[in-house]
Amino acid sequence: AQSVAQPEDQVNVAEGNPLTVKCTYSVSGNPYLFWYVQYPNRGLQFLLKYITGDNLVKGSYGFEAEFNKSQTSFHLKKPSALVSDSALYFCAVRDNRDDKIIFGKGTRLHILP
Amino acid sequence: KAGVTQTPRYLIKTRGQQVTLSCSPISGHRSVSWYQQTPGQGLQFLFEYFSETQRNKGNFPGRFSGRQFSNSRSEMNVSTLELGDSALYLCASSFPPGATSGGAGEQFFGPGTRLTVL
Repeated sequence: AQSVAQPEDQVNVAEGNPLTVKCTYSVSGNPYLFWYVQYPNRGLQFLLKYITGDNLVKGSYGFEAEFNKSQTSFHLKKPSALVSDSALYFCAVRDNRDDKIIFGKGTRLHILP
Repeated sequence: KAGVTQTPRYLIKTRGQQVTLSCSPISGHRSVSWYQQTPGQGLQFLFEYFSETQRNKGNFPGRFSGRQFSNSRSEMNVSTLELGDSALYLCASSFPPGATSGGAGEQFFGPGTRLTVL
């Protein structure tokens, strides 16, 4: 069965430092991978996606994610964190065999001033 | 282009009542999915509709149902409400994967309906 794991419930990073939010996945077919961000009392906002091609994909707000097929990971990264990046981040995978999309449990990112 | 809209934004009901939530997708999107979000369970998939047909379904009891209209607008209904149904209900719309160049079926979410069951 397909699944997504975000091993960290919370990540704390000092402003200006690089950040990484981890995600690993398990699907039978080739995955489509996504990252979303949720600010308080808001819906989820799409950040970026991986379909195929370059393993490093760039998205909104300076975020990027690295696809690693051998480690079945899709970690979200940003070179220099901002306090405004503090939010809840979700990783998701769509199995392109059955089109079902599964979300991870989310990681709360705190950027400390 | 207008985003996904959900109505109402907030709702308070009592146990045993039923509720209907509405979602209007982004113009051109024909796929609509519904999710339940709670602090304890995270984001749980309810169902997905495409062209008025339910395409996928999550593991929720039959009290949760939905439908999609010919204009792609969708409604979900919860009957016989329980305290545990209190949650943020999110609707998301998308093109099907591959329907657009480079498209992976990424979803665009509405602001949600906050349901409180007393």
